[in-house]
Amino acid sequence: DTGVSQNPRHKITKRGQNVTFRCDPISEHNRLYWYRQTLGQGPEFLTYFQNEAQLEKSRLLSDRFSAERPKGSFSTLEIQRTEQGDSAMYLCASSLSGTQPQHFGDGTRLSIL
Amino acid sequence: AQTVTQSQPEMSVQEAETVTLSCTYDTSESDYYLFWYKQPPSRQMILVIRQEAYKQQNATENRFSVNFQKAAKSFSLKISDSQLGDAAMYFCACLSGGYQKVTFGTGTKLQVIP
Repeated sequence: DTGVSQNPRHKITKRGQNVTFRCDPISEHNRLYWYRQTLGQGPEFLTYFQNEAQLEKSRLLSDRFSAERPKGSFSTLEIQRTEQGDSAMYLCASSLSGTQPQHFGDGTRLSIL
Repeated sequence: AQTVTQSQPEMSVQEAETVTLSCTYDTSESDYYLFWYKQPPSRQMILVIRQEAYKQQNATENRFSVNFQKAAKSFSLKISDSQLGDAAMYFCACLSGGYQKVTFGTGTKLQVIP
């Protein structure tokens, strides 16, 4: 196991298009987190899963955003009708439990034209 | 709500010298964890050091150590014998709220001068 994997690394799309990102956590980790990071800022929490259950969503996560984690394995984050303000790095992290450190992926950089 | 504040946007240190990065936090929880993460340019974020709030002893990890002042809600990171590979963004983070989410500071960019 080589760690948390995110795909794609970069995504460029036109405003108004839908995009989907994928995150494969470390296999034995049951917690999975999504963050958004803009330039010069720390990661901002978006949502997290305990196995397949989505337990918390940030107010940052508008109704254009949806995340899933079917079968408690990989997770997808979809953004519908993208806007300029969605341009950011989207980070995924996983952990063995809530008190254990989170391991981060390389992120997916989204650019909206 | 919890907040994490890093008041030093940028710091620099001479190679082999020691540098301290500051962090203050605020949480209403009595049980929480504090972390320092390192994010090199265009590379993934990695954990540097972790401190449990219930432990009085400051965490140490090789050249990295923390000064945890619980009453003052301060959590600084000391890097000894700085190396060129230490150059990165450093983020302070707090995990509380029933261990549901981590709040990050805005980061400190550390430059190591050869």
